[in-house]
Amino acid sequence: NAGVMQNPRHLVRRRGQEARLRCSPMKGHSHVYWYRQLPEEGLKFMVYLQKENIIDESGMPKERFSAEFPKEGPSILRIQQVVRGDSAAYFCASLSGTASYEQYFGPGTRLTVT
Amino acid sequence: AQSVAQPEDQVNVAEGNPLTVKCTYSVSGNPYLFWYVQYPNRGLQFLLKYITGDNLVKGSYGFEAEFNKSQTSFHLKKPSALVSDSALYFCAVRAGGNKLVFGAGTILRVKS
Repeated sequence: NAGVMQNPRHLVRRRGQEARLRCSPMKGHSHVYWYRQLPEEGLKFMVYLQKENIIDESGMPKERFSAEFPKEGPSILRIQQVVRGDSAAYFCASLSGTASYEQYFGPGTRLTVT
Repeated sequence: AQSVAQPEDQVNVAEGNPLTVKCTYSVSGNPYLFWYVQYPNRGLQFLLKYITGDNLVKGSYGFEAEFNKSQTSFHLKKPSALVSDSALYFCAVRAGGNKLVFGAGTILRVKS
C-alpha cells in the first residue's frame, strides 16, 4: 500500500507566479489535511477536505490560497501570486475516516519563492 | 482552544542513556495526543498516540509515552537512545474535525 504521495517535492516560483501542489492520499483514505511548516516553526493546519468538499478551511489565508479534492484525482493546494512569505514546506496528510485518529503524512513540497 | 507546548527547543543525550522529550497540553474535554518524528527533508512519521486506556503507551522504534492527566503532560521516552534517533520530534493534540495542533518541536541530538 503506497503511502501519501506529494508532488512536486521541490518547487521554485518567482514572485507573482502560481504554485500548484498535489497530494494523493493513501489508498482507501478519503480525508485530506494540508499543513504548512514555515522555517524554524512547527506545522500549522491549513485546510481539511473530503472528496468534493471543504470541511474546515479555518487555517487558510483569506486571499490567494485555495484547495480542492475532486472526485477523481489528487487534492490540489493552489497559491496564486506567490510572495516570498509563502516559502515553506507544505505537507498533506490523510486519514481513513473519522473513527481513525493517526494521520499519515506525505514527504512534503518545499516551495521557494524567489 | 487546544494547544500543546514543548518547553525544550533541544535535548542532548548520550547514546545508550534514557531520553525524555517533554510535552504539556491544554484541551477542553478528553485529550487525544500524538507524537511524530521528522527526519531532515522528510515528512512526519507517526510514533504513537494516546486516546484512552493505559497511561503508558508503546509506539514505534522502542519509544513510549506517559500520559499524566493531573500534570497535563504526555512526555516521550526511550530507555536507551540511539544515534539514529536524532531528529525533530513533534507533540500534537487532536482538535475539531481531527485536525492536529502541533507543538513547536524539539530537536533531539544523540551523541555517540
